[in-house]
Amino acid sequence: KAGVTQTPRYLIKTRGQQVTLSCSPISGHRSVSWYQQTPGQGLQFLFEYFSETQRNKGNFPGRFSGRQFSNSRSEMNVSTLELGDSALYLCASRPGAINEKLFFGSGTQLSVL
Amino acid sequence: DQQVKQNSPSLSVQEGRISILNCDYTNSMFDYFLWYKKYPAEGPTFLISISSIKDKNEDGRFTVFLNKSAKHLSLHIVPSQPGDSAVYFCAAPNSAGSARQLTFGSGTQLTVLP
Repeated sequence: KAGVTQTPRYLIKTRGQQVTLSCSPISGHRSVSWYQQTPGQGLQFLFEYFSETQRNKGNFPGRFSGRQFSNSRSEMNVSTLELGDSALYLCASRPGAINEKLFFGSGTQLSVL
Repeated sequence: DQQVKQNSPSLSVQEGRISILNCDYTNSMFDYFLWYKKYPAEGPTFLISISSIKDKNEDGRFTVFLNKSAKHLSLHIVPSQPGDSAVYFCAAPNSAGSARQLTFGSGTQLTVLP
């Protein structure tokens, strides 16, 4: 089985721009979560989607949004980028909404200049 | 409010010795804990877990201990190997919203010296 695939791996943007990140979960997994990793802050939960519905949302501003498609693929969008948005964005999938174990992709490293 | 805390950002250990990584939590409702390992340029991978009904779980060189009264868990790696050098995150699922998502600590960078 292919793992969680995230594209692109690296992205450089400037302040004020917007960005869209993509995630393809493991085949058969219906839940997709997004996390932000910054040095010293660990993994901060952004949101989770299950069957195209947002199930949970973390404490991030409305500039961060996401969606999930019928094939379980997910996208995350950040509008009006700020320097502090520079981070590794990780996508994770799991079979259902209550399984604790997450399977992570390699992430998208976003740099905002 | 950080519900899962890893107070040691880094740890260096000699190859062959024991590595002990610590994690504290504040939410007494947590009933399951996980450890993830992360290499640079890769996503975190699941390492080992423990249910709150147990106080120890072992898998090869990795053992996790849970002390519920102290709200503390630790990961022991014996013997440590250079390939164990990575960032280790502890995590716990909370019950917020309609699904349980994982709350992670800030991670501990383990360096195993040859």
